Amino acid sequence: EIVLTQSPGTLSLSPGETATLSCRASQSVSSSYLVWYQQKPGQAPRLLIYGASSRATGIPDRFSGSGSGTDFTLTISRLEPEDFAVYYCHQYGSSMCSFGQGTKLEI
Amino acid sequence: EVEMVQSGGGLVQPGGSLRLSCAASGFTVSGNHMSWVRQAPGKGLDWVSVIYSDDRTYYADSVKGRFIMSRDHSKNTLYLQMNSLRGEDTAVYYCASLLTWGQGILVTVSS
Repeated sequence: EIVLTQSPGTLSLSPGETATLSCRASQSVSSSYLVWYQQKPGQAPRLLIYGASSRATGIPDRFSGSGSGTDFTLTISRLEPEDFAVYYCHQYGSSMCSFGQGTKLEI
Repeated sequence: EVEMVQSGGGLVQPGGSLRLSCAASGFTVSGNHMSWVRQAPGKGLDWVSVIYSDDRTYYADSVKGRFIMSRDHSKNTLYLQMNSLRGEDTAVYYCASLLTWGQGILVTVSS
């Protein structure tokens, strides 16, 4: 089983700043099968990044993903008020999928 | 419009069974890898099961042997049969493709 560990658990920033979220895997993950989701209270998650670095349709270019192997990063530049939410990394493609525990981005 | 509409949740006693449905429109469930994901109140996302486009199906250890995931091509619908339910299965359950998620449906296991 691949365990995804996200850090930090909570990130406190202000609008206009840059957020850097980390997702570390317990063993190597194919970049093709690493995605990032955003979730707001009472809503289903929304796909932001797929294939570790490709933005989903309609996602602003303020969101960028990078990384490979066991270390992946989601960077959100020029934070907007609507960006404050919980972010999850997710790996799939094998017999056991998993989510990170989430990073809460708060104002 | 691409969407998935879920049904079948509710209150069930421990040891009971429930079947969740997820009707897709705008895309085919058989052509995509599809997952069930749950979220206990106030907690993070918890992967439950996945079915890939080649029909390989896998489950989280916590539900293996109790839950069965399937899809009906003719109805373009995904299912999750949940048996031997436990209190720790209480959660909002989502069906999901990579891009599109259902609205979520609450399953409460309690006597």
